[in-house]
Amino acid sequence: VIWMTQSPSLLSASTGDRVTISCRMSQGISSYLAWYQQKPGKAPELLIYAASTLQSGVPSRFSGSGSGTDFTLTISCLQSEDFATYYCQQYYSFPRTFGQGTKVEIK
Amino acid sequence: EVQLVESGGGLVQPGGSLRLSCAASGFTFSSYEMNWVRQAPGKGLEWVSYISSSGSTIYYADSVKGRFTISRDNAKNSLYLQMNSLRAEDTAVYYCARDPGKPAGGAFDIWGQGTMVTVSS
Repeated sequence: VIWMTQSPSLLSASTGDRVTISCRMSQGISSYLAWYQQKPGKAPELLIYAASTLQSGVPSRFSGSGSGTDFTLTISCLQSEDFATYYCQQYYSFPRTFGQGTKVEIK
Repeated sequence: EVQLVESGGGLVQPGGSLRLSCAASGFTFSSYEMNWVRQAPGKGLEWVSYISSSGSTIYYADSVKGRFTISRDNAKNSLYLQMNSLRAEDTAVYYCARDPGKPAGGAFDIWGQGTMVTVSS
């Protein structure tokens, strides 16, 4: 099983801020990493796959980087609709695993 | 419109059974690998099970192995999850999720709205 450590668990920020979320793997996964956004009461939405490829329709203020064991999701200029919970997910092997989640809240 | 719609959730006693369904529309269901993912109240996401496009390859999380069975009917554009020997810790919203295939194969690009399963006496 590949374990994932996502940090921070809670991030307080203001509109316009640049925010960064980290995801660290227990072993290397090349670039087989995805990021999701989830709003309360809704299903998650795919933001990024292959560590850095933006899903169609996702705003360019979202970006992903990293490979191997360390990955980062960056929101360059936080908008009001970005306050949500974010999850990383590895698909290098089964079982698929998710990070614990990072809630981005209004400061 | 590409869509997944789950059904079959509800309240069940510990040790009971439930069968979830996921109806797919707007895409060629038989060409896609599918998954079930769950989320306990107030908790994070947990992958539950995977099935290949033909149904020939299946994987389960250790937490459900031997109790849950994933299946699909490509003629009916439907995915299923048979859940037996249910426990309180299986209480969650269950989502079906599509694997988009290359170049994002393994991620989940389309999700249903979820169906709530509550295991309680």
